[in-house]
Amino acid sequence: AQTVTQSQPEMSVQEAETVTLSCTYDTSESDYYLFWYKQPPSRQMILVIRQEAYKQQNATENRFSVNFQKAAKSFSLKISDSQLGDAAMYFCAYRSSNDMRFGAGTRLTVKP
Amino acid sequence: DTGVSQNPRHKITKRGQNVTFRCDPISEHNRLYWYRQTLGQGPEFLTYFQNEAQLEKSRLLSDRFSAERPKGSFSTLEIQRTEQGDSAMYLCASSRTGGAKNIQYFGAGTRLSVL
Repeated sequence: AQTVTQSQPEMSVQEAETVTLSCTYDTSESDYYLFWYKQPPSRQMILVIRQEAYKQQNATENRFSVNFQKAAKSFSLKISDSQLGDAAMYFCAYRSSNDMRFGAGTRLTVKP
Repeated sequence: DTGVSQNPRHKITKRGQNVTFRCDPISEHNRLYWYRQTLGQGPEFLTYFQNEAQLEKSRLLSDRFSAERPKGSFSTLEIQRTEQGDSAMYLCASSRTGGAKNIQYFGAGTRLSVL
C-alpha cells in the first residue's frame, strides 16, 4: 500500500523567514500526482501546490515551491517570506489512478 | 459562493442513532469524494463517485456506512447505529476529469460527535 510520511509533527518559523516541510512517500506506480494542502484552524482545506510525477521541473506558486526528488520519493514544501497567515496544518498528499493518501500533517507556527 | 458545501457543520448524536450528511460539490465537477479525519491526523479516504457511480470504497467503510449520489450532483453519507469511534470530521471534496484533474476542492466538513 502507498504511504505518505510527514516526519515533522510541528514546525516553527519566524515571520519573513523561510521554512521547509518534509514529505516522503512510497509507491510502485510511475504515474501519480503529489499535493500540499493547507488547513487553517477550523477552516477548510485548500490546495497550496501540486506536482505531476512525470514533470522534472519543480512546481512553484508565488512564495511556495517544492523540491521533488522522484528517485528518493521525496516531496518537500518550501515557504519563503513566511507570513502570519501561513500558520496552519499542512498535509502532503499522493494520488494515483486508484489511490489517494494523506500524510499525518505538520503544524506550522509563524512567530511575529 | 460556488465552492463545496457540506451540511450540517456539526452533528451531535447519541450512540446507536443514524445520521446523514450532505455534500454539494462544485457544479461542474463530476467526481465526488468522502474522507474521514480524526484529530491530529490527515484525511482518510472513504469512497468516491464519478457522476452517480460509486467507483471505489475503502475497507474503512463498514456496512454501517452508505453513500449515495443519486443524480450525479449532491451526495449523502449515512452512518447507521453510530458508535463512539465514528466521532470525526467528515470531509467531502470534488474534482473534474480533464483540465486540472486530480485537484480536489474540499468542503469545510461535518464534525460528528457521538455521545
